Amino acid sequence: GAGVSQSPRYKVAKRGQDVALRCDPISGHVSLFWYQQALGQGPEFLTYFQNEAQLDKSGLPSDRFFAERPEGSVSTLKIQRTQQEDSAVYLCASSPGQSSYEQYFGPGTRLTVT
Amino acid sequence: AQSVSQHNHHVILSEAASLELGCNYSYGGTVNLFWYVQYPGQHLQLLLKYFSGDPLVKGIKGFEAEFIKSKFSFNLRKPSVQWSDTAEYFCAVNSRIGKSTFGDGTTLTVKP
Repeated sequence: GAGVSQSPRYKVAKRGQDVALRCDPISGHVSLFWYQQALGQGPEFLTYFQNEAQLDKSGLPSDRFFAERPEGSVSTLKIQRTQQEDSAVYLCASSPGQSSYEQYFGPGTRLTVT
Repeated sequence: AQSVSQHNHHVILSEAASLELGCNYSYGGTVNLFWYVQYPGQHLQLLLKYFSGDPLVKGIKGFEAEFIKSKFSFNLRKPSVQWSDTAEYFCAVNSRIGKSTFGDGTTLTVKP
């Protein structure tokens, strides 16, 4: 595809519900990143994949957050038992290679937990 | 741990004014530095980047940034802003493959 796509673009969840956010990276991109952006702040790193391997998950805020990229392409970020503090924009980015530091961002998914 | 500080939260300029947005980072080792821009309703996109070499880097749309290692700074500049430069600007740093650390962003409003 032409760029990184994310779905859904908007998600409203009631507190306690589970949500799944999808990211389609640019075709052929090896690296995939998830970030969380709260209102008025910059993106904060959540986790990073190189192909299907999750190499860094140090930014996941709790064990309610889980990410996967089983075939090294599409990735899903799952949040279990959502809380109000999970409300944020979740950004996905991809990068062409292992040593490439430039990241291409998707439009984000705005999650609102009520 | 690395961190990024952007000094200005909101900058308002008139067209043709000069722009300088401050960015300081804290990390003692080798870093890669970036400025990203987010125009209203659009994705974050790369404006310019510094990996090594000439510390003065030029990006798209007439923007440039200077890496000053001794000051841990990577300030963004543009000699003459346009109304279309209205956007949010983020400075970012990474020191290894993967994790990037972003500042909290500066909102630039350019008055026509």
